[in-house]
Amino acid sequence: EAGVAQSPRYKIIEKRQSVAFWCNPISGHATLYWYQQILGQGPKLLIQFQNNGVVDDSQLPKDRFSAERLKGVDSTLKIQPAKLEDSAVYLCASSLGSYITGDEQYFGPGTRLTVT
Amino acid sequence: GESVGLHLPTLSVQEGDNSIINCAYSNSASDYFIWYKQESGKGPQFIIDIRSNMDKRQGQRVTVLLNKTVKHLSLQIAATQPGDSAVYFCAENIPGTALIFGKGTTLSVSS
Repeated sequence: EAGVAQSPRYKIIEKRQSVAFWCNPISGHATLYWYQQILGQGPKLLIQFQNNGVVDDSQLPKDRFSAERLKGVDSTLKIQPAKLEDSAVYLCASSLGSYITGDEQYFGPGTRLTVT
Repeated sequence: GESVGLHLPTLSVQEGDNSIINCAYSNSASDYFIWYKQESGKGPQFIIDIRSNMDKRQGQRVTVLLNKTVKHLSLQIAATQPGDSAVYFCAENIPGTALIFGKGTTLSVSS
């Protein structure tokens, strides 16, 4: 089966600019996650969707980050305006149900964002 | 704190040796743990998981041990191969919060 698709793979922007990332989860997966992974660290969950509803966005910096999953399939993550500290890899993952019930999360390859 | 940490940032082993990667967690309420493998340029990949009501779980060439008394988790890889070279993360679930990843251990396997 096809894996989680993300685009673009790389993005370089200047601080204060805007950027958007796109994720297409594995077909049939109800749960979609966005993670931020700063170099040398483990991923940090930004937001979790169940179908098109938000389950957890407690770690999403809502003053500059937003995410949507309008039809319960694809999702976009936006940063506006970007700061230098937003430089990281943004990972999208999906699972059939929730990871806590044992449904494995499948990760995409990520989008590497560099803010200059 | 609630962070998950690993004892060593790097581990170097010879092909064929057994590898042990350690992880310490600080929250006694954590009820579920997952080990992930991340190769360069790729997203993390699930290896094995364990719930807090267990102390050992085995997979293919991998074993996870959980010691709740000292809040310690380990991943054992038998007969380590060059393809096992990657960064390994442990992640813990604290009820009511998100899955929290540790900083990772880089495993290097030389042949």
